[in-house]
Amino acid sequence: DGGITQSPKYLFRKEGQNVTLSCEQNLNHDAMYWYRQDPGQGLRLIYYSQIVNDFQKGDIAEGYSVSREKKESFPLTVTSAQKNPTAFYLCASRSGTANTEAFFGQGTRLTVV
Amino acid sequence: AQRVTQPEKLLSVFKGAPVELKCNYSYSGSPELFWYVQYSRQRLQLLLRHISRESIKGFTADLNKGETSFHLKKPFAQEEDSAMYYCALMGNQGGKLIFGQGTELSVKP
Repeated sequence: DGGITQSPKYLFRKEGQNVTLSCEQNLNHDAMYWYRQDPGQGLRLIYYSQIVNDFQKGDIAEGYSVSREKKESFPLTVTSAQKNPTAFYLCASRSGTANTEAFFGQGTRLTVV
Repeated sequence: AQRVTQPEKLLSVFKGAPVELKCNYSYSGSPELFWYVQYSRQRLQLLLRHISRESIKGFTADLNKGETSFHLKKPFAQEEDSAMYYCALMGNQGGKLIFGQGTELSVKP
């Protein structure tokens, strides 16, 4: 079953704890992305990576961290420094060639209590 | 800086009416522009891209560099078009893909 997989679908954490969201793709894509989706604010870019062992901050990187040790994996850690972590998180990947589409995961709903 | 603006949060039309979802962008170079759609309980997926100049499900979008716009149009809306629509931009320097705030299209019978 090819595609991009996010896990888990729902995640609950206590305030002050770090939490890591998983994103895996078997599409052999070079580029991967993390977005946060909030009502009325669309998708906001957290981090992106164009190649293994390299990544760049997006527009709202504060309080988040990522790693890209393998081409197929791009985990996102939501740290205790993120002030409003409760949100829906989307991961995407694309081949990196110009004008190619991004493929999205099903998303992870994180709730911090 | 890259920016995408979709001024309408919600657009409600009757079946058979024309539809135009607005998208304006800010980018100093030559951008790649896309429209993505999210149907209820489905993943976000590509609808069309400006480079292809194609019509998908009756939708078209024309890049107007003078007005920095990429509006999505359909002459006759159908109920199955009801969904969330996002305009997206990637700069020609590569990598950064950003989205607008999204417009919810509701097509009533």
